[in-house]
Amino acid sequence: NAGVTQTPKFQVLKTGQSMTLQCAQDMNHNSMYWYRQDPGMGLRLIYYSASEGTTDKGEVPNGYNVSRLNKREFSLRLESAAPSQTSVYFCASSEDWGFTYEQYFGPGTRLTVT
Amino acid sequence: AQKITQTQPGMFVQEKEAVTLDCTYDTSDPSYGLFWYKQPSSGEMIFLIYQGSYDQQNATEGRYSLNFQKARKSANLVISASQLGDSAMYFCAMREGYSGGSNYKLTFGKGTLLTVNP
Repeated sequence: NAGVTQTPKFQVLKTGQSMTLQCAQDMNHNSMYWYRQDPGMGLRLIYYSASEGTTDKGEVPNGYNVSRLNKREFSLRLESAAPSQTSVYFCASSEDWGFTYEQYFGPGTRLTVT
Repeated sequence: AQKITQTQPGMFVQEKEAVTLDCTYDTSDPSYGLFWYKQPSSGEMIFLIYQGSYDQQNATEGRYSLNFQKARKSANLVISASQLGDSAMYFCAMREGYSGGSNYKLTFGKGTLLTVNP
């Protein structure tokens, strides 16, 4: 039982390049999330998927797109990377969509855009 | 206005002593959940404890307890008998039931860096 896995762990991009961050969970959770963590800012929600087949914007969605490929997988795409997107990205999942459900996080992807 | 406020950027505690990490929150929603997460230097986010707004008793999980004072809108984390491995960043977070379209968004504070000294 691996929990939430993310690939890659580290990535360096040049401005304007695109890439997809992959996330998978093996806990049969319905809801999945993407966050970014910047120094001194805590975590901020980029996109979420309350259930398979649905996605919605979070607090900071600009410059990103997501795909809920199936119940297990939720990917985050940067179409044209910018230096402001240098951050640590976390994927998370929760059993269901509701305020009582804790979220379980992956190990994170450290992204640098030069 | 910030939804979650953690006023202590850094805290120090001696090994085996107890420590309280402060968290205050702001919501007009009667239904909400409060969470604490630990982030060690390795970077992963580890769920510690949960308190629901309707829970009558304070949550406890092993050495972690949550001092929930609803009227004061505070949800402080208490770690008893600190260990060296408790040195980490600690985040308080809130998830509202529904508030003007927040849609159960989990909002994080900026964190408190705890250092446990031997």
